[in-house]
Amino acid sequence: GNSVTQMEGPVTLSEEAFLTINCTYTATGYPSLFWYVQYPGEGLQLLLKATKADDKGSNKGFEATYRKETTSFHLEKGSVQVSDSAVYFCALRNAGGTSYGKLTFGQGTILTVHP
Amino acid sequence: DTEVTQTPKHLVMGMTNKKSLKCEQHMGHRAMYWYKQKAKKPPELMFVYSYEKLSINESVPSRFSPECPNSSLLNLHLHALQPEDSALYLCASSRSGAGGNYEQYFGPGTRLTVT
Repeated sequence: GNSVTQMEGPVTLSEEAFLTINCTYTATGYPSLFWYVQYPGEGLQLLLKATKADDKGSNKGFEATYRKETTSFHLEKGSVQVSDSAVYFCALRNAGGTSYGKLTFGQGTILTVHP
Repeated sequence: DTEVTQTPKHLVMGMTNKKSLKCEQHMGHRAMYWYKQKAKKPPELMFVYSYEKLSINESVPSRFSPECPNSSLLNLHLHALQPEDSALYLCASSRSGAGGNYEQYFGPGTRLTVT
């Protein structure tokens, strides 16, 4: 079956520090990969996505590259801000069959950025 | 516009009450989803509607009853809930269900408290 493993949190950084949140996956076929962000008291927002190997998704300074050879999709940002404090979820979706596009989520990583 | 709306934002109900959660999207998406999210955990899929037909029921107790009146609306009817059902209920939609690795867009959620 499908599974997603994220690095354990919480992660605490100072403003302008470099961020990496590791994500690895197990899946059959050719899944799409996503990063979602959840700010306190809100729903999930799609941060970025990649649909095939070597694709790089990017948005708001965040980047992640779909690495099929290492089955990874690590999230990076060069300089975090206090406003980036949130929970980050890595997820995958496999097309076709009877999965109806079910999303498989990682356990989430809590990021706190201090001024 | 990638907006999914949910009402109400907060709901407190007793164990004998009947209430409904509402979700709406106007993106022309043909798949809609209900998720349940407990604090500090990833969302758990409950139901998937594809082209207004129930495609997946993740063994959800019958006290939760979904309904999809048309392609833009999704309801979740609640009856005789238990305190452990208190959670954030998230609605999501995507361009399609089966076939295609399309991303899901989430609403802000309904925070449900069962007393």
